[in-house]
Amino acid sequence: ILNVEQSPQSLHVQEGDSTNFTCSFPSSNFYALHWYRWETAKSPEALFVMTLNGDEKKKGRISATLNTKEGYSYLYIKGSQPEDSATYLCAWKSGGSNYKLTFGKGTLLTVNP
Amino acid sequence: EPEVTQTPSHQVTQMGQEVILRCVPISNHLYFYWYRQILGQKVEFLVSFYNNEISEKSEIFDDQFSVERPDGSNFTLKIRSTKLEDSAMYFCASSERGRATNEKLLFGSGTQLSVL
Repeated sequence: ILNVEQSPQSLHVQEGDSTNFTCSFPSSNFYALHWYRWETAKSPEALFVMTLNGDEKKKGRISATLNTKEGYSYLYIKGSQPEDSATYLCAWKSGGSNYKLTFGKGTLLTVNP
Repeated sequence: EPEVTQTPSHQVTQMGQEVILRCVPISNHLYFYWYRQILGQKVEFLVSFYNNEISEKSEIFDDQFSVERPDGSNFTLKIRSTKLEDSAMYFCASSERGRATNEKLLFGSGTQLSVL
């Protein structure tokens, strides 16, 4: 079974705190790793798509790193704001599949004002 | 910014009934997908569709499920005879190029299907 796991399951932080969460995925047959941000009642929104070992991507206060050899990715949020509250999903694409993304269960982030 | 739209946002049906979930993907996208999330579980891949045929499907996507692009804009998921365990949030997504390494999917906001 090829599993994608995310931790923690949920996280409460204060406004201004920096935080990070983890996505682990199978290191064999790696093709791409996606991060999505999903607010309740809205569409999941793509944050990053990473493909190369050592990739680092940044979008405003959010950044992500990728280690394909050991099978993990970190998502960092610097200076969390209440509007960052959402579920953060990672999804792994294997080289064996043309189109399928395998998702983790997500990390639910709540930022308290 | 263009959006993937899904209708209805909520659908309640009786077990054994047929349902059709509708999606309008981004107009210049060529690849279309359905995913679902059962409450408390992971988002799961159901099917991908390109050039008017299924390009990949999961083991969940059995004979009860079918997809169609009936015209140039809509993409539908039909469940022929719904079961209680089909209750889930169903997401439609589209992408421009399919298997390009760095391509993201654009998702709709989902249809919450409740089977009673």
